[in-house]
Amino acid sequence: DIQMTQSPSTLSASVGDRVTITCRASQSITTSLAWYQENPGKAPNLLIYEASSLESGVPSRFSGSGSGTEFTLTINNLQPDDFATYYCHQYNSYAHTFGQGTKLEIK
Amino acid sequence: EVQLLESGGGLVQPGGSLRLACVASGFDFNFHAMNWVRQAPGKGLQWVSGITIGGHGAYYADSVEGRFTISRDNSRNTLYLQMNSLRPDDTALYYCAKSVDIALTNRIDHWGQGTLVTVSS
Repeated sequence: DIQMTQSPSTLSASVGDRVTITCRASQSITTSLAWYQENPGKAPNLLIYEASSLESGVPSRFSGSGSGTEFTLTINNLQPDDFATYYCHQYNSYAHTFGQGTKLEIK
Repeated sequence: EVQLLESGGGLVQPGGSLRLACVASGFDFNFHAMNWVRQAPGKGLQWVSGITIGGHGAYYADSVEGRFTISRDNSRNTLYLQMNSLRPDDTALYYCAKSVDIALTNRIDHWGQGTLVTVSS
């Protein structure tokens, strides 16, 4: 199976900051990568797909980039609702895999 | 509105079995690949299994291969997960998750609220 290594596991930031989360695949997944936001007690919410496409309804302060094995999620001008856990997800193979998650905390 | 309603979770002893179900509405179930994803308490997301639109292609994470079976009944808009030989490390919230289109190799765009499976003696 394709392994997804996500970093950092925890990130502390303040409202208004810009943050970046990285995900590395163990082999090329072209651009078959999505990013999700998860809040406690709620199901994950799709933010980005195909590495850089913004899901409908998601604020434009969220952006994604990368291809092959290296991917990033960037959040500009952090808002209070953005403090949550983020996961990358590869769907290039029939056996999908997720990154370990990044918890974004208020500094 | 897309809705995915899971059921069938509960407390089961190690070695036991459970069958999860997910009733889908708000979209044409026949034309979407489907998945199960789980989340152990305090842990991250783990993809468990996926199934093609006709049900003939089924894929599993290594950790559940040979113990779990995914299936679907398109006439009932229902996805299933038969779980046998359950182990304590199968304890998790199990989500039903819809792929965006017919392809299993595509993103998940909707999730249910999950059903909790607890494996303990």
